[in-house]
Formats: sequence, C-alpha cells, structure tokens
Amino acid sequence: EIVLTQSPDTLSLSPGERATLSCRASQSVTSSYLAWYRQKPGQAPRLLIYGASTRATGIPDRFSGSGSGTDFSLTISRMEPEDFAVYYCHQYGRSPYTFGQGTKLEIK
Amino acid sequence: QVQLVQSGAEVKKPGASVKVSCKASGYTFTYYYIHWVRQAPGQAPEWMAIINPSGGTTSYAQRLQDRVTVTRDTSTSTVHMELSSLRSEDTAVYYCARGASTGTTGWFDPWGQGTLVTVSS
Repeated sequence: EIVLTQSPDTLSLSPGERATLSCRASQSVTSSYLAWYRQKPGQAPRLLIYGASTRATGIPDRFSGSGSGTDFSLTISRMEPEDFAVYYCHQYGRSPYTFGQGTKLEIK
Repeated sequence: QVQLVQSGAEVKKPGASVKVSCKASGYTFTYYYIHWVRQAPGQAPEWMAIINPSGGTTSYAQRLQDRVTVTRDTSTSTVHMELSSLRSEDTAVYYCARGASTGTTGWFDPWGQGTLVTVSS
C-alpha cells in the first residue's frame, strides 16, 4: 500500500497570502496519478487537481500542482476566504487507492 | 450535470448490516467506474471498493473484503454498498464517487453528498 504523508498538518495564513502544501509518497506514484481535493466542513471532497498538475473543470488558476515520483505539491497563489479548508492528496494509480492525512489551512 | 445522490442517514446497532445507495444521473451509467470511500469523524478518507457498472465486477479493500458487498442496478443507474457485522469503528460518512471511464485508474469526480452511518447500541 502506498502511504501518503502530507505536511504541514496545519498552516495558518491570511487572505491574499500564498500557500504551499506538500505530499510525499512511500513509493513512486504510477504515471503521476496524483490528485488533490479540497474539503469544506460538512461537505464532500471536491477535485482540484489530477494527473499531479492538471486543474479540474471550473477550478481557478490560483491553484497549481506539481511534482512526480514521490514528491508532490499544491500551491494556492493567493488565499481566498473559501480556500480555508482541509486539503487531501490522493493516489489513484495503484489499489488500494490511498489518501494523505490532510492539511488544514486556517485563518491567521 | 453529472450527479451522484445518496440515500439518507442510518443508525444501526453493533452486529447489524447497512445498505447505502448511490443514484447516478447526467451521464451514461455503464461508462464509468464507481468507488466507495468512507470518512470517520476527523479522519482522512479511506477507500473501500470499486465496481464496474457495465459488467458488475468488483474489487474491495483487503481489510473490509469479508464484510462489504457492492452491487449495481443498471435499470435505475444505482449502485449499492452493503456493510455487515457493523462495529462502532464503522461510524463514518460514506461517499460514492465516480471514477475512470477506462480501466480502474482514475481520479474521483464528482462525489455524492455523503451518507452518515452511526453504529451505536
């Protein structure tokens, strides 16, 4: 099983600031089959990025993903109020499909 | 638009079974795999199972495979997930999510709204 470890666990930011989230895999993620989701309280996760760097439909360009192999990152160039939430990385290349433990972005 | 709508919240006693449904609309049901994912309170999502709605073939997470069964009804575009021998640790929100159109490798989008299953004596 591929274990995904996200860092940091919590990041305190002000609106307008830049956020950089990290996701490290215990073994190489096949063909960069790595996705990022945002989850607001009481809601289902929403897809932001797939294939490590492709934005999903309707996702604004302040979100960008990068990385390959075992190291991936998600960058939010300027935090908007709706971006304060929990973010999960997810590998879908090899069963069992696994998720990171999450990074919470909170308002400073 | 593509939508997955799940059945309502359930409260079950330990040892019982629960069946959660997921009705798909807005696309050809048999063209895309469906996954089941659960999320315990304050925890990360956990993948449970996948089904190919076309042929009905399934694959389960090893730690749950003795207790989970996923089926589909193509006449109603609905996927069902049944979890048996419930224990308190199964208390979670259960989600269905659409996967890939070809093969089992694909991101999860969209997700259903979630179904809270509470296991309590």
